[in-house]
Amino acid sequence: AQKVTQAQTEISVVEKEDVTLDCVYETRDTTYYLFWYKQPPSGELVFLIRRNSFDEQNEISGRYSWNFQKSTSSFNFTITASQVVDSAVYFCALSGYNFNKFYFGSGTKLNVKP
Amino acid sequence: DVKVTQSSRYLVKRTGEKVFLECVQDMDHENMFWYRQDPGLGLRLIYFSYDVKMKEKGDIPEGYSVSREKKERFSLILESASTNQTSMYLCASSSFRGLATDTQYFGPGTRLTVL
Repeated sequence: AQKVTQAQTEISVVEKEDVTLDCVYETRDTTYYLFWYKQPPSGELVFLIRRNSFDEQNEISGRYSWNFQKSTSSFNFTITASQVVDSAVYFCALSGYNFNKFYFGSGTKLNVKP
Repeated sequence: DVKVTQSSRYLVKRTGEKVFLECVQDMDHENMFWYRQDPGLGLRLIYFSYDVKMKEKGDIPEGYSVSREKKERFSLILESASTNQTSMYLCASSSFRGLATDTQYFGPGTRLTVL
């Protein structure tokens, strides 16, 4: 069965703190894709990153970094030096090779206070 | 620029009304999806379509139907709206073409209130 678990329902940090959002997934597919989306208060889900199951290289984009570990079935997302604009709900998702079915975690609400 | 549009951002309907939510994508994507989002429940898949006139039930299809007569358009229909269908409805589309930009793209959402 395919499943994505985001155990952290809500996290609150003070601006400039680092924060890590956890994502654990389950799949029997050998080829799969993992995603992170951001949903700001406006409501629209914004795509952040996609990783392939055969590429475990970690990625950094500015203050954002992602740690993909197949051994623990995790795809964690770290925001360094958080800012108020990072306040949003973040979703982790899993898809098979042809992108016709996506499995979403329940989301983590991040509150960054000034 | 990738675009998924939904016919309304906010909609208020009465119990028993037939409701149409329209979604259009301009990316020539094969796959289209309808989700509903409720506090604490994340995104739940209602229906998806992988081709014109093709549809598959998602996790919560009861009380909904869909129509895909053209590749770019995917409609969600509430045959007889009920108050428990008050929710945020999100449309999305995707395609896998071996490109780095392949992902699922979302529309802005329709917040439906059924009175």
